Amino acid sequence: KAGVTQTPRYLIKTRGQQVTLSCSPISGHRSVSWYQQTPGQGLQFLFEYFSETQRNKGNFPGRFSGRQFSNSRSEMNVSTLELGDSALYLCASSFGQSGGGETQYFGPGTRLLVL
Amino acid sequence: SQELEQSPQSLIVQEGKNLTINCTSSKTLYGLYWYKQKYGEGLIFLMMLQKGGEEKSHEKITAKLDEKKQQSSLHITASQPSHAGIYLCGADMGKAAGNKLTFGGGTRVLVKP
Repeated sequence: KAGVTQTPRYLIKTRGQQVTLSCSPISGHRSVSWYQQTPGQGLQFLFEYFSETQRNKGNFPGRFSGRQFSNSRSEMNVSTLELGDSALYLCASSFGQSGGGETQYFGPGTRLLVL
Repeated sequence: SQELEQSPQSLIVQEGKNLTINCTSSKTLYGLYWYKQKYGEGLIFLMMLQKGGEEKSHEKITAKLDEKKQQSSLHITASQPSHAGIYLCGADMGKAAGNKLTFGGGTRVLVKP
């Protein structure tokens, strides 16, 4: 079974621009969660999507948004990029039916650098 | 303070030696996940613990969740260079948290040949 895939793997943007990251979950998984990893803050939860609906949200500004498609693929968008948005963005997938207590499998991440 | 504390932050061990990483929560854990990360890459799932007193092993790695479900340890026996990386514990804080995992700060492990 193929693992979680993320595209692109690397991105360089400038302040003020916007960016869209993509995540394809493991086949059969309907939950996709997004995390931001930085040296200063560690791994922080952004949001989770299940059946095309945002089910849970972390403490990030509204510039961070996401969506999920009917095939469970998910995209994350960051608008008006700031230098502090430079990070490794990871997505994780799970079956999602139980709403918790499931193992999440992570993708390789997208490294975003904002100049 | 963080909800999930990992210790130590980093450690260097001689190949062949054992090592232990601790993960302590300020709240009851409903599930505790251990992951390994190579620098700048994704997380590789190692083990999941849910029951107090539970212990799981895979190859040379053993993880335990204490009876009170507020602390977990990861133990590597006879470490090898392939064990080098960042080890992260992630916690399921309960139904209200849904699929959100709260992570510790990570432990960077270096194995000296």
